[in-house]
Amino acid sequence: GQNIDQPTEMTATEGAIVQINCTYQTSGFNGLFWYQQHAGEAPTFLSYNVLDGLEEKGRFSSFLSRSKGYSYLLLKELQMKDSASYLCAVKDSNYQLIWGAGTKLIIKP
Amino acid sequence: GAVVSQHPSRVICKSGTSVKIECRSLDFQATTMFWYRQFPKQSLMLMATSNEGSKATYEQGVEKDKFLINHASLTLSTLTVTSAHPEDSSFYICSANLGGPTEAFFGQGTRLTVV
Repeated sequence: GQNIDQPTEMTATEGAIVQINCTYQTSGFNGLFWYQQHAGEAPTFLSYNVLDGLEEKGRFSSFLSRSKGYSYLLLKELQMKDSASYLCAVKDSNYQLIWGAGTKLIIKP
Repeated sequence: GAVVSQHPSRVICKSGTSVKIECRSLDFQATTMFWYRQFPKQSLMLMATSNEGSKATYEQGVEKDKFLINHASLTLSTLTVTSAHPEDSSFYICSANLGGPTEAFFGQGTRLTVV
C-alpha cells in the first residue's frame, strides 16, 4: 500500500530552526509537496520538490531524496505564527495526492 | 495563482436534512476536483474525485448515495450531504489543480455541524 510517515508533533523555540521529516512509499512519484495548515483552515502551499536536492524559499527550505523516499522541511528563524500543522504529500503515478497525517508544530517563546 | 472558492464556510443543519457545498475554480477550468474530509487533529482524507461530465469516483468506504457529487461544468463541483447525521459533522475541503505535477489549490473549507 501507499504510506507517508511524519512525526505527529514537534516543539521548537521562537527564533530557532526546526526540521520536519517525511518518508514515503508510493506507487510512482510525481512530486512531493509541503503544505501548512492552521486549525480550521484549508492547507496552503509551501513547497514542491520533484528532483533531488534542496529548494529554498525564504525562511523555508525543502529537501528531497528520491532514492531514499525521504524529504524534510526546514524552518528557520521560527516565529509564533509558524505554529501550525505541516502536511507532507506525494503525487503518485496517477497524479493523485497521497497525504501524510501531518506534523503539529508548537512554537514556544 | 489559481483560485478555488468554496461556499459556505460554515453551516449548521438539523439531522435528516441535506446540505450542499459548492466548489468553484475562479480563473481556470478544472476537469477534475477532489473532495476531502478532515476530522479534528487528523489529516485530509480523500472522499471522492469529481469528474466533469461523468460520474464521480468514490474512495472505499465512502457512501456515494449519501455524499452526492455533481460536476456539471468545468468550474463548479458540488457535494451534497444527504440525510445528515451528527457523525457527518466535519471539515470538508475541495481542491483542484491545473493538471499533471502542479500543486493542488484548495477551497477555504466548509465546517459542517449537524445538530
